[in-house]
Amino acid sequence: GAVVSQHPSWVICKSGTSVKIECRSLDFQATTMFWYRQFPKQSLMLMATSNEGSKATYEQGVEKDKFLINHASLTLSTLTVTSAHPEDSSFYICSANLVSGPNNEQFFGPGTRLTVL
Amino acid sequence: AQSVAQPEDQVNVAEGNPLTVKCTYSVSGNPYLFWYVQYPNRGLQFLLKYITGDNLVKGSYGFEAEFNKSQTSFHLKKPSALVSDSALYFCAVRDGDNFNKFYFGSGTKLNVKP
Repeated sequence: GAVVSQHPSWVICKSGTSVKIECRSLDFQATTMFWYRQFPKQSLMLMATSNEGSKATYEQGVEKDKFLINHASLTLSTLTVTSAHPEDSSFYICSANLVSGPNNEQFFGPGTRLTVL
Repeated sequence: AQSVAQPEDQVNVAEGNPLTVKCTYSVSGNPYLFWYVQYPNRGLQFLLKYITGDNLVKGSYGFEAEFNKSQTSFHLKKPSALVSDSALYFCAVRDGDNFNKFYFGSGTKLNVKP
């Protein structure tokens, strides 16, 4: 099956610093990847759609200048949390589609736990 | 607008007993429905999906789900629960206009006790 990896699996940083999270499709190419965040005991909320070679599409209410997304290749998307604050602490999960169209399914990475002190 | 609802925050079941995790949906157009499982500090794993065809969908790890159009439900079931099934389960629906966009339910924590 399709495998999506994330790095790092967890990160602790000081308030005001920036953190980069990588999402890779290991055995397939993904022109589109997705970034979600999940608060404790809550569901996943789609933050943005990462498009290879073009700008990301952000969901309403997500600050694009704070959550920078770069999809530089068909197997890698990165999410950079800039000037992180404690309220940015969350579980960030990426996903990618194996194929496009209505019969596709999203494959999820293992997630990255971000803690901002 | 598309949405799914999971009315139960938690479901408790004894090992060996059948389990049901409930999900209802609201969509405009044809529903594309999914179930995912999440173990602690892990990403989501795909269990099964309904696109079209038979109302009873069989998926991974012995799980199945029944699509009921009249009741707008897509309940997840398993005939005999295992302790290892204990996890967080999410129902999801795909956006009818944008196949890349999923809407997730609030999740149901399944506890299977020995």
